Amino acid sequence: DAGVTQSPTHLIKTRGQHVTLRCSPISGHKSVSWYQQVLGQGPQFIFQYYEKEERGRGNFPDRFSARQFPNYSSELNVNALLLGDSALYLCASSGRALGGELFFGEGSRLTVL
Amino acid sequence: ELKVEQNPLFLSMQEGKNYTIYCNYSTTSDRLYWYRQDPGKSLESLFVLLSNGAVKQEGRLMASLDTKARLSTLHITAAVHDLSATYFCAVDDRDTGNQFYFGTGTSLTVIP
Repeated sequence: DAGVTQSPTHLIKTRGQHVTLRCSPISGHKSVSWYQQVLGQGPQFIFQYYEKEERGRGNFPDRFSARQFPNYSSELNVNALLLGDSALYLCASSGRALGGELFFGEGSRLTVL
Repeated sequence: ELKVEQNPLFLSMQEGKNYTIYCNYSTTSDRLYWYRQDPGKSLESLFVLLSNGAVKQEGRLMASLDTKARLSTLHITAAVHDLSATYFCAVDDRDTGNQFYFGTGTSLTVIP
């Protein structure tokens, strides 16, 4: 079975641009979460969606937004990119809304110049 | 704010030696997770600990959880080079859904 898939794997943007990252969860999983991992740090929670509803939001500015589609795939959008947004963006899926193990995709590495 | 602290942050050890990584957390969560991350790669789930006193072992790694002390340990037995990676512990907070709080990570290097 396919695991969590993310696209693109790598991308380079310039300051002020917009980026869209995509994620497909493990088949049967209805929960998708997004994490940002800056080099040398642990992942930081951005959003969780379950059954297309936002269930949690981390301490990130409004430039970050996300949505979940009827097939449970998800998009993370970041507007007005800053140099500090350069990071590995990880998507994770879970079979449960609460207390479920997270399974991570390979991530999308974003570089902002 | 919920905090998760790991120590040591960096660990260099010789092959064949034993060592323990510690994970302290500030919430009353009784669910703790250990992940492994290789350079430039994603997170691989190692252990899920769901109750006080839980102990799980896989190969040369053994994880335990003491919810009263809010402490988890990851013990490495007779380290081998293939174990070189960064190890993260994480807890989830019942009050905030499935949000995971990750520790700072322990970068392990096993020297032949």
